[in-house]
Amino acid sequence: DTAVSQTPKYLVTQMGNDKSIKCEQNLGHDTMYWYKQDSKKFLKIMFSYNNKELIINETVPNRFSPKSPDKAHLNLHINSLELGDSAVYFCASSLSLAQETQYFGPGTRLLVL
Amino acid sequence: EDKVVQSPLSLVVHEGDTVTLNCSYEVTNFRSLLWYKQEKKAPTFLFMLTSSGIEKKSGRLSSILDKKELFSILNITATQTGDSAVYLCAVEGVWGNKLVFGAGTILRVKS
Repeated sequence: DTAVSQTPKYLVTQMGNDKSIKCEQNLGHDTMYWYKQDSKKFLKIMFSYNNKELIINETVPNRFSPKSPDKAHLNLHINSLELGDSAVYFCASSLSLAQETQYFGPGTRLLVL
Repeated sequence: EDKVVQSPLSLVVHEGDTVTLNCSYEVTNFRSLLWYKQEKKAPTFLFMLTSSGIEKKSGRLSSILDKKELFSILNITATQTGDSAVYLCAVEGVWGNKLVFGAGTILRVKS
C-alpha cells in the first residue's frame, strides 16, 4: 500500500548507457515531480507534470526525458549517462498544482561508473 | 533566483536538549514554506506554513514563519535519538508548485 513507489531502488551502470526509472503513485494525485539529490544532499527539482502535462523543466539536459503515460505514473529516461548523473533521484506527488504538500518516494540511487 | 539558506549546517546535542533550526529565504511570489525530515531515504513532511506568526505544533516539534523577516524556525524540545536526521526547509514560489530546498541541517542526538 505504498503511496509513492519507485523502481529500481538501486541502479549501477556504465557511462554512455541509457536507463529508466519508474514512479507510480496510488494517492489519486494530479501532479508529479522528479528531484535530484546530489552528493552534497541538495534536493533540486528537475520536472513537474500535472495531469500528464509538463509544467516545470528546470534546465535539465535533454538527455533526461520524463514520460507520463497517465497521471499516476511519471517515468524518467536518461540517455548517454554521465558520471555526474550519479545521485539519488526522488519522485514526489501532490494533490494538485495548488498549495499542496508533496509526498516523496523512497528514491533511486543511481551510480554511473 | 530563489534561495533558501538553513543554519546551522550540523548540530550535535544530547537527549533532552531543545534545538532550534533556522531557515531564511528569498523567493519571488512566496506561497508557502515547508519543513521535511529526511532520515535514510525519502523526505517526510513535517509542516507547511503560509501565514506569519501562527505556530504549528506536532508533538515535540513546532514551527513558525515570519514573512516580514523572511525566515522560519523549527523547534524540537526534549530531543530523542530518533530525532537524528537531516531537516530540510523548502519554499514554494511561482505557480507550478516548484519547491526550492535548502541544504538541510544535520541533527545528531546523542544518548
